[in-house]
Amino acid sequence: DAGVTQSPTHLIKTRGQQVTLRCSPKSGHDTVSWYQQALGQGPQFIFQYYEEEERQRGNFPDRFSGHQFPNYSSELNVNALWLGDSALYLCASSTRGFQETQYFGPGTRLLVL
Amino acid sequence: AQSVTQPDIHITVSEGASLELRCNYSYGATPYLFWYVQSPGQGLQLLLKYFSGDTLVQGIKGFEAEFKRSQSSFNLRKPSVHWSDAAEYFCAVGATQTGANNLFFGTGTRLTVIP
Repeated sequence: DAGVTQSPTHLIKTRGQQVTLRCSPKSGHDTVSWYQQALGQGPQFIFQYYEEEERQRGNFPDRFSGHQFPNYSSELNVNALWLGDSALYLCASSTRGFQETQYFGPGTRLLVL
Repeated sequence: AQSVTQPDIHITVSEGASLELRCNYSYGATPYLFWYVQSPGQGLQLLLKYFSGDTLVQGIKGFEAEFKRSQSSFNLRKPSVHWSDAAEYFCAVGATQTGANNLFFGTGTRLTVIP
């Protein structure tokens, strides 16, 4: 049973560009959350999707947007990249409900130059 | 607002010694608490979680944690550390009041194990 998978593993972009990160949830999971982990910090919640809609959002600007597909996979899009967006982006999946444990993927390391 | 504090940025222990990693939380309602471990270049692996009931929680890899409501703490312990335990450890609280399960993490404690 495959766990949470993310692609690509690493990415280099320049300021002002746009980036799309992808996530496939663990089998049986319908909820996907995205987190940003800056160097030396704990992960910070960006947003959560289920039923193809954004349900919860953390304190991130509108430059960060997402999408969930009918097969529950998800994309994270970041527009107008700036240096501060350099981080490890983690995807987590779960079933719906506040008692459900989140399972994390290995992350995508984004470097903005 | 919910928050998590991990007071120790870096801890070094000898292999075979006991370990305690501290975690303090701030949350208005009954907290759901978690400990995750992150090895270099990897994602987060769940060690254990507390929702309710017995305040001493057993996890994987020989770890345990104790929930103390009076101290707003959820410290992680292991009686004998192995070299493979070297990693970054994160404590997190679940945002239960919103009905969602998104997590608020502390800044982590880096564990170094010396032979």
